[in-house]
Amino acid sequence: EVQLVESGGGLVQPGRSLKLSCVASGFTFNNYWMTWIRQAPGKGLEWVASITNTGGSTYYPDSVKGRFTISRDNAKSTLYLQMNSLRSEDTATYYCTRGSYGGQGTLVTVSS
Amino acid sequence: DIQMTQSPSFLSASVGDRVTINCKASQNINKYLNWYQQKLGEAPKRLIYNTNNLQTGIPSRFSGSGSGTDYTLTISSLQPEDFATYFCLQHNSFPLTFGSGTKLEIK
Repeated sequence: EVQLVESGGGLVQPGRSLKLSCVASGFTFNNYWMTWIRQAPGKGLEWVASITNTGGSTYYPDSVKGRFTISRDNAKSTLYLQMNSLRSEDTATYYCTRGSYGGQGTLVTVSS
Repeated sequence: DIQMTQSPSFLSASVGDRVTINCKASQNINKYLNWYQQKLGEAPKRLIYNTNNLQTGIPSRFSGSGSGTDYTLTISSLQPEDFATYFCLQHNSFPLTFGSGTKLEIK
């Protein structure tokens, strides 16, 4: 059974950093691209970042480019999202996804 | 960037109704269009991928169609568990973009 379990969310002040993790199981992690999406409270879905199966290429929307970094450790079957220079508009539930599979999300709240 | 215009934003319907939800892309997305269902407090769930491929385990009352810039999700006979919010996603090119969502409510 495919499982994706996110962690690392919490309350953080504007301008600070936070690193999310997503531990994958039930599939061969290094065979798949992985993606982070997010959803602000009461809002729609937004794509945040994607990474190829080897980690050799990464992709971001302009809204997070230069502030967020997606990475992976295939030996640990773990996906990461390093978030720097956080803003209030980054407040959202962050989901780790692989195709049709997703985790339950981790809430990030950016507030002073 | 490709813009996805989803309509309607809200839809009120009854159990047994046939409903359609539309997404229009600002340019050709070559059928790289997925549909997601999200219930309150839950993670989004992919229903359909690449326009018309039903995800394993999803009931056959859900179907997708379209090409070029215009895509449709159809629910042939609404069931109580179908009342949720639906989103489309284009993955033809980066940045990936979602539609704004359609909230399907019970009439």
